Amino acid sequence: KAGVTQTPRYLIKTRGQQVTLSCSPISGHRSVSWYQQTPGQGLQFLFEYFSETQRNKGNFPGRFSGRQFSNSRSEMNVSTLELGDSALYLCASSFDYEQYFGPGTRLTVT
Amino acid sequence: GQSLEQPSEVTAVEGAIVQINCTYQTSGFYGLSWYQQHDGGAPTFLSYNALDGLEETGRFSSFLSRSDSYGYLLLQELQMKDSASYFCAVRANSGNTPLVFGKGTRLSVIA
Repeated sequence: KAGVTQTPRYLIKTRGQQVTLSCSPISGHRSVSWYQQTPGQGLQFLFEYFSETQRNKGNFPGRFSGRQFSNSRSEMNVSTLELGDSALYLCASSFDYEQYFGPGTRLTVT
Repeated sequence: GQSLEQPSEVTAVEGAIVQINCTYQTSGFYGLSWYQQHDGGAPTFLSYNALDGLEETGRFSSFLSRSDSYGYLLLQELQMKDSASYFCAVRANSGNTPLVFGKGTRLSVIA
């Protein structure tokens, strides 16, 4: 069974731009979560989707948004990028209590 | 809200045993999970304690005590490849809540 895939793997953007990250979960998994990871801050929860519905949202500004499609694939969008948005963005899919993470998208904002 | 506390760094010798603690403040939750993340890699699931007590998976064991709001991950016969960051995580059982992670413990295994 294929794992969670994320595209792109690396991204360099400038301040003020917007970015869209994509996540394809494991086949059969309907739950997708997004996390931001920066050094020393662990995994900060962004969103959780289940069957195209946002089930939870973390404490991030409205510049961060996401959605899930009928095939469970998910995207997250960050508008008006700031330097502090530079981070590893991880997507995870789950069927039960175990989360399976993708390799992440490394976003650098200059 | 949920809050999990872990030591930020732990160093241990190859072949030894190390315990990584996780204390939490949440009124009720489904279970305590542990994840491992190597530098440059993605977190991978290690263990899940739904009930109090010890769960063993090879060289790794995990323990939960709900009455003490405490859990730990025990790594035995440490190997150099165990050098990684370890995260505990819980999901509260009140309504739809996300899985919340601690800030992680960086384990360094030295020869």
